[in-house]
Amino acid sequence: TQLLEQSPQFLSIQEGENLTVYCNSSSVFSSLQWYRQEPGEGPVLLVTVVTGGEVKKLKRLTFQFGDARKDSSLHITAAQPGDTGLYLCAGADRGSTLGRLYFGRGTQLTVWP
Amino acid sequence: DAGITQSPRYKITETGRQVTLMCHQTWSHSYMFWYRQDLGHGLRLIYYSAAADITDKGEVPDGYVVSRSKTENFPLTLESATRSQTSVYFCASTRGPDNEQFFGPGTRLTVL
Repeated sequence: TQLLEQSPQFLSIQEGENLTVYCNSSSVFSSLQWYRQEPGEGPVLLVTVVTGGEVKKLKRLTFQFGDARKDSSLHITAAQPGDTGLYLCAGADRGSTLGRLYFGRGTQLTVWP
Repeated sequence: DAGITQSPRYKITETGRQVTLMCHQTWSHSYMFWYRQDLGHGLRLIYYSAAADITDKGEVPDGYVVSRSKTENFPLTLESATRSQTSVYFCASTRGPDNEQFFGPGTRLTVL
C-alpha cells in the first residue's frame, strides 16, 4: 500500500525557475520528513515538519505541512543545478510501529544550467 | 568514525546462492531498518528492528532473513537469491519516532 503519493515523478527545469513538489496522503501523520538523495548515496534529511500548517524554510527551499497533516509541499525558488537529486517525502505514524517511516516514491529533479 | 556503514558496496552473485549484507552503526540507535530501492517503486521496507533481538517484517520481507544480536549490527540475508532481488539495498537507523533516519551508502546487488 502506497500511503504517500508524490507528484510529479520527474521534473526537468532550467536554472532560475521555481518549482513545487507535492506529497499527498489520505492518512494523517504525526510528522512528515523530506529527504534528498544524490546518485550513489543514501537519502539525507532536509527537514521535519510536525505541526499542521507549519512552514519551514531552508535557504531557497520552503516546506509546508498541510493543516490536516495529510499532505506537504516543497517549493524551490530560483532552482540551481546543485538542487538536482531525488526528493523523498516520508511520514511518521505514532499510531503504528514506532520509528517506522512511510516513504513516497520520490520526485527526480534535474536542473539544467 | 561515527556513522552507519554497509558492506559490501557492490555484490554480484548467482541465482540460488546465499548472500549476507552487513550494516553497522556507531550511534547505539535503537531502531534499524532495511530498504530496497528500485526504479518505479521508491524505497520499500524489508525488515526493521526496534532493539536487539526484536525484529519485524516490512512491506516486502519474502526471501529475506534478518537478525539483531547486537544493537549496532543488523545483517540482512538473502537465503536463496533470485533475479528479482537485484536492487540497491539501504540500511538506516534512528533514535525513535519523528527522528531523522540516517542512511548508509547502500549496497548494489546484482543477481545473475
